[in-house]
Amino acid sequence: EKVMTQSPATLSEFPGERATLSCRASQSVSNNLAWFQKKPGQPPRLLIYGASTRATGIPARFSGSGSGTEFTLTISSLQSEDFAVYYCQQYNNWPITFGQGTRLEIK
Amino acid sequence: EVQLVQSGGGLVQPGGSLRLSCAASGFTFSSYWMSWVRQAPGKGLEWVANVKHDGSDKYYVDSVKGRFTISRDNAKNSVFLQMNSLRVEDTAVYYCARDTYYDILTGDHHYYGMNVWGLGTTVTVSS
Repeated sequence: EKVMTQSPATLSEFPGERATLSCRASQSVSNNLAWFQKKPGQPPRLLIYGASTRATGIPARFSGSGSGTEFTLTISSLQSEDFAVYYCQQYNNWPITFGQGTRLEIK
Repeated sequence: EVQLVQSGGGLVQPGGSLRLSCAASGFTFSSYWMSWVRQAPGKGLEWVANVKHDGSDKYYVDSVKGRFTISRDNAKNSVFLQMNSLRVEDTAVYYCARDTYYDILTGDHHYYGMNVWGLGTTVTVSS
């Protein structure tokens, strides 16, 4: 099983600032990596797939990078609606696995 | 409108069974793999199972193997999760999600992310 480790567990930033979230895979997942945003009471929202491709309707301030074992989600200028929990997901192998999440909170 | 409407769930005693349903509309259901993902209270997301577009292959996380069964009925545009021998640790909100796309013309599979989700249904396993 590929273990996905996200850091930091919690990130505090001001609105308007840039946020950088990291995800590390225990073994290479190539570019088979997705990012999701999760808010309480709502289903997950797909942000990025293929490590760097934005999903339909996702604002350009969200960007993904990386391949192999190291990945980054960057939010260039935080809006109030961006404060949520973010999960990375590898789909290179079964079982599909998620990271434990990064909580992005308002500073 | 592309949507997944979930039903089922509820309160069940340990060892009991439940069946979750997820009805799709607005897209060609038979062209997509489908997944179930869960989130236990205060915990992160956990992928549970998925099923190939034609139902011929199914995959599970180890913790549910032998207890849960994913299935689909393409004639009814629906995917199901039969959950048997339920445990307290299966308590979670369960989501169905659209998964990999199968291109019938080329025979290729394409992953564009789990980009359509149901609203979730709560399963509580407690005595």
